[in-house]
Amino acid sequence: SQTIHQWPATLVQPVGSPLSLECTVEGTSNPNLYWYRQAAGRGLQLLFYSVGIGQISSEVPQNLSASRPQDRQFILSSKKLLLSDSGFYLCAWSKGGQYNEQFFGPGTRLTVL
Amino acid sequence: AQKVTQAQTEISVVEKEDVTLDCVYETRDTTYYLFWYKQPPSGELVFLIRRNSFDEQNEISGRYSWNFQKSTSSFNFTITASQVVDSAVYFCALTQGGKLIFGQGTELSVKP
Repeated sequence: SQTIHQWPATLVQPVGSPLSLECTVEGTSNPNLYWYRQAAGRGLQLLFYSVGIGQISSEVPQNLSASRPQDRQFILSSKKLLLSDSGFYLCAWSKGGQYNEQFFGPGTRLTVL
Repeated sequence: AQKVTQAQTEISVVEKEDVTLDCVYETRDTTYYLFWYKQPPSGELVFLIRRNSFDEQNEISGRYSWNFQKSTSSFNFTITASQVVDSAVYFCALTQGGKLIFGQGTELSVKP
C-alpha cells in the first residue's frame, strides 16, 4: 500500500531564515506530487505540482520554490521566510492523469516569528 | 472558470442527528470529477469519495451518502446518525486539468 511522509511535523522559524520541507511517497511510482498551504481560515491553496522528476509548475508567485530530485521526493524551500509564510503545509500525491484522487500527508505546521 | 462553493461555514448538531453538507460547483468541462475530503483536528485530509460527471447515481457508504445532481450542479454529502467522531472540516473539490479546486470547507461540530 502507498504511504506519504512529511517532515518535520512542526517548525518555528525566524523571519528571514531558510526553509526546507520534505515529502516522500512509498509504494507507487511516477506519482503526481502537490504542495498546498492552508492558512488560518481553512482554504487550501495549491502552491506547486509536479508530474515528473524536475518538472515543477508554480501556481502562485511567491518566495517559495519546489524541487523534485527523485521520483517520489518533493521538497518545498525558501531562501528567506516571511511572516506571511506561516501556515499548515500539506503534501499530496495522485496517480498520473487528470481525474485521480489525491492522498495527503500529515502536514507540517510552520510558524514564522 | 471552475469554482466550488460550500456556503455553510459552520454547522453544529447533536449526536444522532442527520446532517447534510452542501456543495455547488461551476465548470465548463463536460468530463469532470468531484470529491469529498474530511479534515479531522489532526490536520490530515482524508479522501472520502470520487464521483465522475457521467454517473449521477447516489452513493451510500455506511452512514455516509452522497447526492450528485448535474441539473443543479450540486454534490451534497449527508451523514446519518452523526457521531462525535464526525466532527471535522469537510471539503468538496472539483478537478481542473489534473489539479483540484477546493471549496472553503464546512466545519461540522457534533456535540454529545
